Amino acid sequence: NAGVTQTPKFRILKIGQSMTLQCTQDMNHNYMYWYRQDPGMGLKLIYYSVGAGITDKGEVPNGYNVSRSTTEDFPLRLELAAPSQTSVYFCASSYSRDRDRRQGYTFGSGTRLTVV
Amino acid sequence: AQTVTQSQPEMSVQEAETVTLSCTYDTSESDYYLFWYKQPPSRQMILVIRQEAYKQQNATENRFSVNFQKAAKSFSLKISDSQLGDAAMYFCAYRSAVQYDMRFGAGTRLTVKP
Repeated sequence: NAGVTQTPKFRILKIGQSMTLQCTQDMNHNYMYWYRQDPGMGLKLIYYSVGAGITDKGEVPNGYNVSRSTTEDFPLRLELAAPSQTSVYFCASSYSRDRDRRQGYTFGSGTRLTVV
Repeated sequence: AQTVTQSQPEMSVQEAETVTLSCTYDTSESDYYLFWYKQPPSRQMILVIRQEAYKQQNATENRFSVNFQKAAKSFSLKISDSQLGDAAMYFCAYRSAVQYDMRFGAGTRLTVKP
């Protein structure tokens, strides 16, 4: 009963480096999301996906890329890391059907990323 | 676009007392869902309580209850008999019945004093 698994939990990157945050879910959810959490700002949507092969930008997509080749996996790619990308990142998933949206999200445990 | 506002960045409560966290939202939709999430120091996001907009009755989960005022677009969380384990960041969230994502407020940090 894993739910949403995010790796790594912590990472320090140097400016200009790249990395991929991994996210996988085992609940057969169609919808998956990446959010970033900054102090005093709540959670902001970076990218989301409504199914395998379908992704779209959220509020703050610049500097990030995603792919969704399977229902289970939704990795987030950071290219050319910048200090502004220092944040806590959450992956989440949910059901797509209207009657199931009341369930809200299932969240991963988060990744704390520091860019120095 | 829908927005969620939590006007109290920080709140504190004495153990065993009651505290209310405020949340307002802006929407033109009539069908939606509202949530309160708790984020303890472990960082894990935990669903506390949810409310469907078409239900007039306020949701209750043990010591947690909400005051949902649809016309005023207000969704406050009341925590009764506060416990030390209630200390956390609390996020109010809005989910449209037709859009894909959820919108979050900036959060309220709750401190519980022994």
